Amino acid sequence: AQSVTQPDIHITVSEGASLELRCNYSYGATPYLFWYVQSPGQGLQLLLKYFSGDTLVQGIKGFEAEFKRSQSSFNLRKPSVHWSDAAEYFCAVVTAAGNKLTFGGGTRVLVKP
Amino acid sequence: NAGVMQNPRHLVRRRGQEARLRCSPMKGHSHVYWYRQLPEEGLKFMVYLQKENIIDESGMPKERFSAEFPKEGPSILRIQQVVRGDSAAYFCASSPPFGTDTQYFGPGTRLTVL
Repeated sequence: AQSVTQPDIHITVSEGASLELRCNYSYGATPYLFWYVQSPGQGLQLLLKYFSGDTLVQGIKGFEAEFKRSQSSFNLRKPSVHWSDAAEYFCAVVTAAGNKLTFGGGTRVLVKP
Repeated sequence: NAGVMQNPRHLVRRRGQEARLRCSPMKGHSHVYWYRQLPEEGLKFMVYLQKENIIDESGMPKERFSAEFPKEGPSILRIQQVVRGDSAAYFCASSPPFGTDTQYFGPGTRLTVL
C-alpha cells in the first residue's frame, strides 16, 4: 500500500526567506503526486500536481515542486514566503487507478514578520 | 463555475443522534470522495462514489457510517448514533468522469459531538 511521509510537523520561516517542505512517498509504480494547502478552518486548495513529464512542476502562488524518483521525493519550494503563506501543507499520492488520495500528516508553516 | 459545496459547514450533535452531511460536486463531475480529518491529524480516505454506486468504501468504519450518491441530488454521508470520537472535519472532493484527475475539495463540515 502506498504511504506518504512529511518529516517536518512544524516549520517557522521569516517573511521573505525561502521555504522547502519535504515529502517522501512509498509506492511501487510512478505515482501521481499533489500538494494541497489548508488555511485555518478552510478546505484544501490545490497548489500543484505531477503526473508525468518535466519533473519540475510550477504551481500557483509562486510554489514549485520537484519529483525525484531516485529519492522517492516530491519537495515543495517557494523562493520568498509571504505572511499569507502561513497555513498547513499536505502532500498526497494517488494510484494510477485513480481513486483515493493518501495524504501525509501535514506540515504547519508559521511565518515570522 | 461553482466549486464543491458542502453543508452544513458546522454541525453539533449530542451523543446518540444522527448526523447527515451533504456534498454537491462541481458541475460536470460525477465522482465524489469523502475524507475525514481528525483533530491534529491528516486527511484519511473514507469512501469513493459514482452516481448510484459505491466504488471503494475501504476507509469507512464498519458500523454506523454510510454514504450514498443518488442519481439526483447531493452525496450524503450519514453517521448514526454519533459518539465523541466522530468529532472531526469531513471533507468532500469531486473529480471529472474520465481518467485519473485532480480532486477538488469542498470547505468541509465540522462535526462536534457533545
